[in-house]
Amino acid sequence: DAGVIQSPRHEVTEMGQEVTLRCKPISGHNSLFWYRQTMMRGLELLIYFNNNVPIDDSGMPEDRFSAKMPNASFSTLKIQPSEPRDSAVYFCASTFTGSLNTEAFFGQGTRLTVV
Amino acid sequence: DAKTTQPNSMESNEEEPVHLPCNHSTISGTDYIHWYRQLPSQGPEYVIHGLTSNVNNRMASLAIAEDRKSSTLILHRATLRDAAVYYCILRETSYDKVIFGPGTSLSVIP
Repeated sequence: DAGVIQSPRHEVTEMGQEVTLRCKPISGHNSLFWYRQTMMRGLELLIYFNNNVPIDDSGMPEDRFSAKMPNASFSTLKIQPSEPRDSAVYFCASTFTGSLNTEAFFGQGTRLTVV
Repeated sequence: DAKTTQPNSMESNEEEPVHLPCNHSTISGTDYIHWYRQLPSQGPEYVIHGLTSNVNNRMASLAIAEDRKSSTLILHRATLRDAAVYYCILRETSYDKVIFGPGTSLSVIP
């Protein structure tokens, strides 16, 4: 397996534009996480899906952020409209819930810059 | 979520052992202790986890205190590639959120 795949790796956009980040989890995993990382706030959990259903979205900063998981092999995180303070590295991770080895695998991240 | 406390930073000489401490005094009986690390410009990666007994794998060893209120990640011979931020995390088996604290930034001196 190629691991968790995120796209794009880098995104530069203007304030007010819509941004969509994509994630392909590892095949067979049933849990997916979206994180945001900044120097000031570290790694923050934004939302957690289990079996394609959002379980906990308490970390989503505001209504401008939305996440979907239409099937087990794809998830998106959308920001509309984007603001400069959304600039960060966004990570996606997946794991298999129900196994004793609950290792989470992370993607390489998407570096978002909003100007 | 149960919280962990780690030193902000540590230094080690190359090829020497490193002991990274973590305090988790409010740990519950069902919490597993997980360690992840994040190399520069990469996503976090799993290192090791355990419940009560000490654990070893190819990357590191995990020593868990008898009362489970603290643990230590042991890198037996630090290499330059081990320079990273190390995160100690508590995870409930019934709820798989992975919540990161600030972690310990490990520097390895050649």
